[in-house]
Amino acid sequence: DADVTQTPRNRITKTGKRIMLECSQTKGHDRMYWYRQDPGLGLRLIYYSFDVKDINKGEISDGYSVSRQAQAKFSLSLESAIPNQTALYFCATGTGTGELFFGEGSRLTVL
Amino acid sequence: GENVEQHPSTLSVQEGDSAVIKCTYSDSASNYFPWYKQELGKRPQLIIDIRSNVGEKKDQRIAVTLNKTAKHFSLHITETQPEDSAVYFCATKGGGGATNKLIFGTGTLLAVQP
Repeated sequence: DADVTQTPRNRITKTGKRIMLECSQTKGHDRMYWYRQDPGLGLRLIYYSFDVKDINKGEISDGYSVSRQAQAKFSLSLESAIPNQTALYFCATGTGTGELFFGEGSRLTVL
Repeated sequence: GENVEQHPSTLSVQEGDSAVIKCTYSDSASNYFPWYKQELGKRPQLIIDIRSNVGEKKDQRIAVTLNKTAKHFSLHITETQPEDSAVYFCATKGGGGATNKLIFGTGTLLAVQP
């Protein structure tokens, strides 16, 4: 089945370390997104990309960067992780008609 | 920017009762209003959506209503069952260009008591 795959699924790291979360999809969608989920705050948009040459900041982009290596791959980087970046991160894809398809999530803990 | 408020944050109902979750939004150009369900430890998944040219949409036990004048939309679940227990998120999508992305509400934890 076509899907959205995130790696790693769980990661524990220390303050100041560089972290990369990767997302790949076999759905053939042009649009890819990174969201962050925190209890009581819902899903907040970090970055989104409508095609390989298009990168846009979302609501909470500070402290994060992204790379769209190919239509099927969209990675999220934390250059110098800090404890308040501890969260559940979701990658999602879409076609622009509306529905988003989420990956299984990457749980990041920054000590 | 676009703001979406969702209420209540938690909701507990008895099995068989109805549940209603409401969202309000700020951008009058919003034209798409989906609802996602996230079961414990799982990814969010779309359960129903409505576009701005429609006032109500139903799918078995779930329905969504939209009031564009008041800028609010609601999710209605009838005859609730234990498997309806989950976190529900509303979202809105702007009319195009730089606003063509989904902004989510803060979520409602629904607990259906057997």
